[in-house]
Amino acid sequence: QQQVKQSPQSLIVQKGGISIINCAYENTAFDYFPWYQQFPGKGPALLIAIRPDVSEKKEGRFTISFNKSAKQFSLHIMDSQPGDSATYFCAASKGRDDKIIFGKGTRLHILP
Amino acid sequence: GAGVSQTPSNKVTEKGKYVELRCDPISGHTALYWYRQSLGQGPEFLIYFQGTGAADDSGLPNDRFFAVRPEGSVSTLKIQRTERGDSAVYLCASSQGVQLRRNEQFFGPGTRLTVL
Repeated sequence: QQQVKQSPQSLIVQKGGISIINCAYENTAFDYFPWYQQFPGKGPALLIAIRPDVSEKKEGRFTISFNKSAKQFSLHIMDSQPGDSATYFCAASKGRDDKIIFGKGTRLHILP
Repeated sequence: GAGVSQTPSNKVTEKGKYVELRCDPISGHTALYWYRQSLGQGPEFLIYFQGTGAADDSGLPNDRFFAVRPEGSVSTLKIQRTERGDSAVYLCASSQGVQLRRNEQFFGPGTRLTVL
């Protein structure tokens, strides 16, 4: 049973375009939703995170939109650049539980 | 400063053999985590330590997997009687304390384990 469902599996976007990755969850006990970026041969690195009491969080070109009633959240990458080409994971955790529950990932490729 | 380091970076072994994977956390980080990332999947939690003790080992798939952190710093993940299905990248992460929302987990580059 996958606790965090992520789509699409892969995504190709033109340079300068908007990349959008979507995630959904079932467990309402989740209370922290981070996004990670992973380059080949490297471990995941925290990109941006949100709590469910906030509907949107923006950091530079990266924005998380959060819909608590629908149990969905998404990552928007504005003005996508070739250097953004990587695999992105949405994730969730709950309370004092330190496990990170990851989605399956989206492989993003930005065309130069 | 130095990040999380993992050795070896690659390990090839034969089915049935025993392997040890090492993780050196960021200095001063009290919490240490192990995850397993299969090809094309997100990382899956295995175990985490707070200090020397395993605070949560609920992700270990079976009793062939064991991890230690005897001095509260370096950790070793041990896999007995390896199977082909154990092939994956094993990731280690560390953080200054508990609660993910307050303490970011920093990941190492992983050890790629291949069981032939």
